[in-house]
Amino acid sequence: GAVVSQHPSWVICKSGTSVKIECRSLDFQATTMFWYRQFPKQSLMLMATSNEGSKATYEQGVEKDKFLINHASLTLSTLTVTSAHPEDSSFYICSASTSDGPHEQFFGPGTRLTVL
Amino acid sequence: GQQVMQIPQYQHVQEGEDFTTYCNSSTTLSNIQWYKQRPGGHPVFLIQLVKSGEVKKQKRLTFQFGEAKKNSSLHITATQTTDVGTYFCAGHGGATNKLIFGTGTLLAVQP
Repeated sequence: GAVVSQHPSWVICKSGTSVKIECRSLDFQATTMFWYRQFPKQSLMLMATSNEGSKATYEQGVEKDKFLINHASLTLSTLTVTSAHPEDSSFYICSASTSDGPHEQFFGPGTRLTVL
Repeated sequence: GQQVMQIPQYQHVQEGEDFTTYCNSSTTLSNIQWYKQRPGGHPVFLIQLVKSGEVKKQKRLTFQFGEAKKNSSLHITATQTTDVGTYFCAGHGGATNKLIFGTGTLLAVQP
């Protein structure tokens, strides 16, 4: 099946710093990539949808200036958490889809961010 | 906005007992997907249902999509300790490729 990787798998940073998370589709071209955030014991909340070469579409309540998304190629999307604060500590998961429309999404292993 | 709720939130069963989680959407879904997330892991795709009233089986797992395409269920027969995890339903509303996840059901299986 399709494989999606994320890097890093975990990161600890100081408050005020920025953190970049990479999401790569390893064996397929991802038309669309999605970024989710999951707090402990909660469901996955969609943060934004990104299509290669265009601006990401952010969900209501997600600050686009704080969570910068770049989808520069069909195999790579990055999420940068700018000026991170402790409340940004969470599990960030990306997923990728091969086509437009409602299709199976392939999830990356996630990145656990801890902001001190 | 669209909401997808699951019940129960948590279920603790003895190994060998059956388990069912129910998924209800506030709006009609074009399809429903089910994912399993082990503790500390990421969601893993289990299945997708598209047709109204569809029923699919995977070994001990039975998935149903309601006639109105607003609800779904996952039934596990004779649970095993390897079934432990959180089960999420997720649905697409209309033609959008945006997946809305349900609230999840955490299954604990006691040996």
